[in-house]
Amino acid sequence: VQLVESGGGLVQPGGSLRLSCAASGFTFSNYWMSWVRQAPGKGLEWVANINQDGSEKNYVDSVKGRFTISRDNAKNSLYVQMNSLRGEDTAVYYCAREYGNSGRDYWGQGTLVTVSS
Amino acid sequence: QSALTQPASVSGSPGQSITISCTGTSSDVGTYNYVSWYQQHPGKAPKLMIYDVTKRPSGVSNRFSGSKSGNTASLTISGLQPEDEADYYCSSYTSSSTLWVFGGGTKLTVL
Repeated sequence: VQLVESGGGLVQPGGSLRLSCAASGFTFSNYWMSWVRQAPGKGLEWVANINQDGSEKNYVDSVKGRFTISRDNAKNSLYVQMNSLRGEDTAVYYCAREYGNSGRDYWGQGTLVTVSS
Repeated sequence: QSALTQPASVSGSPGQSITISCTGTSSDVGTYNYVSWYQQHPGKAPKLMIYDVTKRPSGVSNRFSGSKSGNTASLTISGLQPEDEADYYCSSYTSSSTLWVFGGGTKLTVL
């Protein structure tokens, strides 16, 4: 199992960014997927998840209306579109595979998003 | 402030056992057996160590064990080894709109 995030970088407050996660080594379309973030020197925070066919999506309150999670099962890829970015969105963003309701069993290496002017 | 409460740090000597607590509420830890624990070394991605309160993924040492009583879950590491030094995070499913919550993390130092 391998998860590889990309798309992070420096963006100004109010700006947008799209993160991608390329999955391999498992049947991507069989699993819920998550984004989890970690602000510098801080703990983990679940951001969003999406079910196998993309018909169900959930978000932490702080990103509702600003972030959109999506997936392309044909490309084995997970995405998050982040709009109206704020300083508090600065974090390493991890893509993770969900193991039912039991947790996240595989994680990518993360991609850093920095929101600053 | 994190939804689940963990001690900021714990320490132990090689060979000893330590326990890390994770206190939630009746909306998360107290109701659901969906508590998981993650190990994170500096600059690395988290690694699942315990899921469903007590279960170990394949490949995780049996020195790691989990338990729960009421609103508090615990991770016990026995026979401490230097490589166990890391940050540990608990997580739980919750009935709130957030769905998933994490603890603030505990830094384990192996003296």
